[in-house]
Amino acid sequence: AQSVTQPDIHITVSEGASLELRCNYSYGATPYLFWYVQSPGQGLQLLLKYFSGDTLVQGIKGFEAEFKRSQSSFNLRKPSVHWSDAAEYFCAVGTTSGTYKYIFGTGTRLKVLA
Amino acid sequence: EPEVTQTPSHQVTQMGQEVILRCVPISNHLYFYWYRQILGQKVEFLVSFYNNEISEKSEIFDDQFSVERPDGSNFTLKIRSTKLEDSAMYFCASSLDATEAFFGQGTRLTVV
Repeated sequence: AQSVTQPDIHITVSEGASLELRCNYSYGATPYLFWYVQSPGQGLQLLLKYFSGDTLVQGIKGFEAEFKRSQSSFNLRKPSVHWSDAAEYFCAVGTTSGTYKYIFGTGTRLKVLA
Repeated sequence: EPEVTQTPSHQVTQMGQEVILRCVPISNHLYFYWYRQILGQKVEFLVSFYNNEISEKSEIFDDQFSVERPDGSNFTLKIRSTKLEDSAMYFCASSLDATEAFFGQGTRLTVV
């Protein structure tokens, strides 16, 4: 079955610390991969995306993610977290066979300590 | 920059009432979607629409739901008889070529 797993429901980091949010997927082919951020009551903002090519992708707000095919992972990283990064982060897979749609993970809520 | 727009941003309706959520996709896009996010939960796929017909629907998308592209620019989601459990944020999305989908800001539906 196609699925996206974000094993960490909540993560708390101190401002200025590094961050890594984990994402693993189960999909028969290489999917398209996305990270979104959502503030409370707001919409989804695209942070970055991977279609093919270089497995390290850069996004907005200083985020990057690395696609590791052997681990079926697409972890999100940021070297130094800012208080404004506190939000919910969703990993998503875009299916590349059959009807195109997104499958979202359950999200990781990030709390940033001053 | 082109964007997907959804109206209204928030709708409150009584249980059993019909509600129509409206979306204007990006103008040259060909694939259209509705997703749902119940408060505090993940975003779930409801339905995809291409070439004026549903291409896939999830098990959530039962007979109470329907979609329509009435005039070539709007894309609507209708819920015929709303239930309390339909309360959620509904996101419309569109895609040009089934690679990246662009999401609207969502409509928060509250059923009372």
